[in-house]
Amino acid sequence: EDKVVQSPLSLVVHEGDTVTLNCSYEVTNFRSLLWYKQEKKAPTFLFMLTSSGIEKKSGRLSSILDKKELSSILNITATQTGDSAIYLCAVGDRGSQGNLIFGKGTKLSVKP
Amino acid sequence: EAQVTQNPRYLITVTGKKLTVTCSQNMNHEYMSWYRQDPGLGLRQIYYSMNVEVTDKGDVPEGYKVSRKEKRNFPLILESPSPNQTSLYFCASSLGGRSHYGYTFGSGTRLTVV
Repeated sequence: EDKVVQSPLSLVVHEGDTVTLNCSYEVTNFRSLLWYKQEKKAPTFLFMLTSSGIEKKSGRLSSILDKKELSSILNITATQTGDSAIYLCAVGDRGSQGNLIFGKGTKLSVKP
Repeated sequence: EAQVTQNPRYLITVTGKKLTVTCSQNMNHEYMSWYRQDPGLGLRQIYYSMNVEVTDKGDVPEGYKVSRKEKRNFPLILESPSPNQTSLYFCASSLGGRSHYGYTFGSGTRLTVV
């Protein structure tokens, strides 16, 4: 059965810290891996990764995919209280014609 | 503005009273899906639709119905809601097909069944 596992499930850090969130997956025919940020409402798109070893960056956030290890990491440097959110990892399967399989998310709390 | 619109945002209802949560997208997306989100369980797919008149069950379809009569609309129907359907519901859409694009999510519907 296809699955996506995120770790840790929750994390508390202080402003200025750097954090690394993990996502591992088992899917039959991998197509893409996506990261979303969810604050109090709907998830918002962060990154989509399809190729191994190519880092995607947006400000203080970056992510990279390792297809050999079937995993991805999301890094956040110099964290701010506004980074507090649930971070969701999702994987698309080539055979699924659009379906995404979501992990349970990592709840990040950034304390001032 | 490209968006997925869900209504209502909040709903409190009683057990057994039929309800419909509407979802509409203005991006001409082929693919639409419904998820429920519960603490500790993450996002679980209820139903999805690859195109008009094409729907299929997700991981937790029991107690729900959907229809896709038009490309833009994908309502979620609870014929006889029960308290275990109390949850946060999200509608999502994407281009789908061979090229994978991420989902655009609606703002969510928080449903309480008493």
